[in-house]
Amino acid sequence: EPEVTQTPSHQVTQMGQEVILRCVPISNHLYFYWYRQILGQKVEFLVSFYNNEISEKSEIFDDQFSVERPDGSNFTLKIRSTKLEDSAMYFCASSVSGNTEAFFGQGTRLTVV
Amino acid sequence: AQSVTQLDSQVPVFEEAPVELRCNYSSSVSVYLFWYVQYPNQGLQLLLKYLSGSTLVKGINGFEAEFNKSQTSFHLRKPSVHISDTAEYFCAVSGGSGGYQKVTFGTGTKLQVIP
Repeated sequence: EPEVTQTPSHQVTQMGQEVILRCVPISNHLYFYWYRQILGQKVEFLVSFYNNEISEKSEIFDDQFSVERPDGSNFTLKIRSTKLEDSAMYFCASSVSGNTEAFFGQGTRLTVV
Repeated sequence: AQSVTQLDSQVPVFEEAPVELRCNYSSSVSVYLFWYVQYPNQGLQLLLKYLSGSTLVKGINGFEAEFNKSQTSFHLRKPSVHISDTAEYFCAVSGGSGGYQKVTFGTGTKLQVIP
């Protein structure tokens, strides 16, 4: 069964460093998403991406964050100048269209030290 | 904006006993509803989903949920729990005023199965 894959599963980075989280969505999906879950809290929507542009973003998704689909298969989340409070599990998801269910990856645990 | 309420933050239950995890959502239009399970230090696993059709949805690991439009609820049930069901369970909704692109999650219910 097709699945969303995320790499790495765990990343440790120093405060102030840039980090890129990578995702390979399901191949025929056109909509891509990032979510975040701070330890012990609920999963929160960050951004949705369609047709090479952001279609919706939350207030969490500030100028520190950016997303990109650099080629036909990858979807990345870049965090510039990471802060301690960026430590969280980041989930990528994808869907066929804007009104079909999203499939989630297993997540990347980001630890900022 | 749509929202999801999971009233119980923790639910302790004895092994082999039945369990119900409650979920209410706010939306006046069609929605998709989901239950996810998260084991410690792991990702999200889809338990079951309601998109349309039968209001009783069966999922993996013996779980089921019933969509009740009049009560805007989507409670998760299992007739007999196992130790391995100890995990956190998230109810989620998409559609409605928030649009189908964004999934809104509840705050989660920690199920603790007591031997």
